[in-house]
Amino acid sequence: EAQVTQNPRYLITVTGKKLTVTCSQNMNHEYMSWYRQDPGLGLRQIYYSMNVEVTDKGDVPEGYKVSRKEKRNFPLILESPSPNQTSLYFCASSLGNTRLTDTQYFGPGTRLTVL
Amino acid sequence: AQTVTQSQPEMSVQEAETVTLSCTYDTSESNYYLFWYKQPPSRQMILVIRQEAYKQQNATENRFSVNFQKAAKSFSLKISDSQLGDTAMYFCAFMKPPNTPLVFGKGTRLSVIA
Repeated sequence: EAQVTQNPRYLITVTGKKLTVTCSQNMNHEYMSWYRQDPGLGLRQIYYSMNVEVTDKGDVPEGYKVSRKEKRNFPLILESPSPNQTSLYFCASSLGNTRLTDTQYFGPGTRLTVL
Repeated sequence: AQTVTQSQPEMSVQEAETVTLSCTYDTSESNYYLFWYKQPPSRQMILVIRQEAYKQQNATENRFSVNFQKAAKSFSLKISDSQLGDTAMYFCAFMKPPNTPLVFGKGTRLSVIA
């Protein structure tokens, strides 16, 4: 089944404790992206990657890191989480082919709480 | 920068009735894509329908259809024969190809009432 998976789905942690949220897709998509969703603010892009070893900042990158060592994986790293990073996080991927409607498919979401 | 506005924070509809959700956007681009995503209580983001700006014909997916008015920069979603499973938050989104971030509206919470 074609899908985007995220782990963990739920995480409660404390301020300053490094964490990684994994994202994997099995659709051979070139483009991958991380969003956060907050009440009243909608979804905002954190980072994106157009291909292996190519990453770039989105609208709200502060406090986050990403890497794209393999095409299928795009982990989100919080080196020193803070309470303002408590949010619902989504990973998304798309073909990245400019000749096609480039629809982004979303993972199931990760609910992160930083105490 | 592009912006997407959904002016109806909440709506409700009786089961089997038709409801229309509004979305307007602002852009100077001529080539772009528009999407409606559904987020049910499970929080999953599910693609409902998409429209390419260069296509004049309105997109349709089963009970879901759009009214795309390019000159007015309007992209409304019509849900026919509403079902209880349609209860969700609906987000309108804009994307300028290639590979740019989706710009989302703030969502409309739709409740389908039995």
